[in-house]
Amino acid sequence: EDQVTQSPEALRLQEGESSSLNCSYTVSGLRGLFWYRQDPGKGPEFLFTLYSAGEEKEKERLKATLTKKESFLHITAPKPEDSATYLCAVASGGANSKLTFGKGITLSVRP
Amino acid sequence: GAGVSQSPSNKVTEKGKDVELRCDPISGHTALYWYRQSLGQGLEFLIYFQGNSAPDKSGLPSDRFSAERTGGSVSTLTIQRTQQEDSAVYLCASSLIPGANTEAFFGQGTRLTVV
Repeated sequence: EDQVTQSPEALRLQEGESSSLNCSYTVSGLRGLFWYRQDPGKGPEFLFTLYSAGEEKEKERLKATLTKKESFLHITAPKPEDSATYLCAVASGGANSKLTFGKGITLSVRP
Repeated sequence: GAGVSQSPSNKVTEKGKDVELRCDPISGHTALYWYRQSLGQGLEFLIYFQGNSAPDKSGLPSDRFSAERTGGSVSTLTIQRTQQEDSAVYLCASSLIPGANTEAFFGQGTRLTVV
């Protein structure tokens, strides 16, 4: 059974204070690792897909990296508008593969 | 449409009543997923549609839960004889093709409260 563990559960940063969010996974045959952002009362918003160890993707202040056991979402010089819950999910198995999600990391960035 | 649309946004129902939740996926998206998000929990997979068929129903928690999709578009999730533990946010997502090689886009969810 696929498992995804995200840490820490919550993170409070000062504006401009860079940090990383961790996603550890156990999966039989990774087909893709996804990062989503979720604001209160909204559905998850797609950020990145990573497919193989060593891959990196960037978008504005966010950079996602992938190893064989975990993924990191690095946030450089965060702003208050980066405050949200960040979800990690994995897809495995066949073409119909569903996403298995972690519980998310709630990030608060203070001005 | 521009995005995945779900209705209603909020639903309060009495224990034992039936409810229907609706999802309008992005036009042209063949894959449609239903997830459930409970307080403090991650998103829990319920069911997956490819076109009008559901090759994976493994996440439906009981036989009180059912879903259908018509015309390869709109999907309805039905919960019969609702229980308090059914209270959660129900999220629908669609993707252009099934599988892990394309991202899924989510709707804003339906918040269901069973009283």
